[in-house]
Amino acid sequence: DIVMTQSPDSLAVSLGERATINCKSSQSVLSSSNNKNYLAWYQQKPGQPPKLLIYWASTRESGVPDRFSGSGSGTDFTLTISTLQAEDVAVYYCQQYYRPPFTFGPGTRVDIK
Amino acid sequence: EVQLVESGGVLVQPGGSLRLSCAASGLTFSSYAMTWVRQAPGKGLEWVSGISGGDGSPYYTDSVKGRFTISRDNSESTLYLQMNSLRVEDTAVYYCAKASSSSCYSRIDYWGQGTQVTVSS
Repeated sequence: DIVMTQSPDSLAVSLGERATINCKSSQSVLSSSNNKNYLAWYQQKPGQPPKLLIYWASTRESGVPDRFSGSGSGTDFTLTISTLQAEDVAVYYCQQYYRPPFTFGPGTRVDIK
Repeated sequence: EVQLVESGGVLVQPGGSLRLSCAASGLTFSSYAMTWVRQAPGKGLEWVSGISGGDGSPYYTDSVKGRFTISRDNSESTLYLQMNSLRVEDTAVYYCAKASSSSCYSRIDYWGQGTQVTVSS
């Protein structure tokens, strides 16, 4: 199985500041056939199901604010919230959909400092 | 608008069985792969099982292989998860989720609200 790790476990950022979350996969999730990274990011707020933010490592889902961005390739990925808003308090998960089982990272909790 | 509504979650004893259902609407159900993802109390997300939209190929995480069976009824736009030999560690909220294509090798773009499964004596 591909093991996904995230760092940090949690972080507290001041409103308007940048938040950066890292995700690492135990194997590359970059497909040589289409040159795409099979990596998605989800946001989960308390009491709610997850919501898709980013797919193909860097493509923003429709309706997601442009302060959310994804980057990286191969085994190392980053989710950046450029200017943190109060409504961004949540747990963020990365997931690989390159090989089943399509594992999630353990999550990173983002709070306001 | 895509809607996914799970049902069937209850309190069951260890070793028992349960079938979860997910009624889908607002989409051409047969065209999409579907997935079950679970979340134990206070824990992270765990991908459990998926089924493709084309040939209905199933996929499972190792911890449920041989105990859980995923299936779909395209005529009823319904996804199922048959859960046998349940263990305490299967206790979780189970989310039904839609993939963005007919292949399970795709992102999840819609989620249901989840149904609670509790395995306890």
